Amino acid sequence: QQQVKQSPQSLIVQKGGISIINCAYENTAFDYFPWYQQFPGKGPALLIAIRPDVSEKKEGRFTISFNKSAKQFSLHIMDSQPGDSATYFCAASNQAGTALIFGKGTTLSVSS
Amino acid sequence: ETGVTQSPTHLIKTRGQQVTLRCSSQSGHNTVSWYQQALGQGPQFIFQYYREEENGRGNFPPRFSGLQFPNYSSELNVNALELDDSALYLCASSASSYSPLHFGNGTRLTVT
Repeated sequence: QQQVKQSPQSLIVQKGGISIINCAYENTAFDYFPWYQQFPGKGPALLIAIRPDVSEKKEGRFTISFNKSAKQFSLHIMDSQPGDSATYFCAASNQAGTALIFGKGTTLSVSS
Repeated sequence: ETGVTQSPTHLIKTRGQQVTLRCSSQSGHNTVSWYQQALGQGPQFIFQYYREEENGRGNFPPRFSGLQFPNYSSELNVNALELDDSALYLCASSASSYSPLHFGNGTRLTVT
């Protein structure tokens, strides 16, 4: 019940395309859903986060879509760029600063 | 503003030895969390410290222990190292238990 399932494991997108990464959770007590971006040799960096009282949040080219009834959320990267090539992790927790449960990650490669 | 800094960046230890990893939290942050990230996996929560007290623990054995100091810096200690302890150890700080986590770049521990 504590798992966060992330798909796909890897993704190749052409420059300018849309990258979509999906996550599903089971624990209905989760109240905070962030996405992190990690480059090789670096720690995860917070990209965008959402709480279940909204269905969508947009920051620049990054959008989180949230479906509370389906217990699913997804990250959309519009106009994907080679600089977006990284590993993306979804996560969930009971509140923002507490223990995060991470998905296994999606390695995104944007080809130019 | 100085981010989360961790030391050392890399470390090689022998099975059975003990190791201490260090973390300086971001300025103004009083909460520190530690995560273990195995190769190709998402980070896993080890424990969190708030005002020098352990404030939550993940599914890790007691040989993983920690400390937080009055300046909010922190240490992770691992005793009786096992080969499976080889991983990237990430420290994250937050302004409170309701604030997002900000990660350092980690310490890469190799146990031989």
